[in-house]
Amino acid sequence: TQLLEQSPQFLSIQEGENLTVYCNSSSVFSSLQWYRQEPGEGPVLLVTVVTGGEVKKLKRLTFQFGDARKDSSLHITAAQPGDTGLYLCAGGGGSQGNLIFGKGTKLSVKP
Amino acid sequence: GAGVSQSPRYKVAKRGQDVALRCDPISGHVSLFWYQQALGQGPEFLTYFQNEAQLDKSGLPSDRFFAERPEGSVSTLKIQRTQQEDSAVYLCASSLSGGPYTGELFFGEGSRLTVL
Repeated sequence: TQLLEQSPQFLSIQEGENLTVYCNSSSVFSSLQWYRQEPGEGPVLLVTVVTGGEVKKLKRLTFQFGDARKDSSLHITAAQPGDTGLYLCAGGGGSQGNLIFGKGTKLSVKP
Repeated sequence: GAGVSQSPRYKVAKRGQDVALRCDPISGHVSLFWYQQALGQGPEFLTYFQNEAQLDKSGLPSDRFFAERPEGSVSTLKIQRTQQEDSAVYLCASSLSGGPYTGELFFGEGSRLTVL
């Protein structure tokens, strides 16, 4: 069974701080997606990365796909309270053939 | 509405009851997915449809779980003889892409099932 391990599981920081969350697997994926989920809502896609070594930026968020397409990171610069939520990575194109999710990193940004 | 709609939003069932959860995907979306999300966990794959064809049901935890999408649009997830371990949020997602992982998934708000 493929696993996507996310770390840290919980992160509580002050507004303005920087942070990085990680998504790791022993398996290779064709693509990796990052979603953000708020309480009582479904996940919303932030980005999809498909090429090993790829870096994508979305305003204050920077996403990187590992060279071997087994891991990814999400870096947030100058976090804001609106960034609070559950950040999920999801890998596609692995041996299971469908999109599998990690357990998520629960981020809390305090004003 | 323009998004994925799920009903009911909340369902409380007594152990042993049957439940049916409905998903209205975005119009024109080919793929439809069901995920189960336990408290504090990430979504776990249950099943995937491409139009009316159920191409992957490997994530369904037991034969008490059944999903259908008879006309390639609305889908229903049915759970028979509910057990306490079935308590979770059931998320439906649709995608314009026909593949199981190639496109953006648009999620509904989920149906929260509590089995007493």
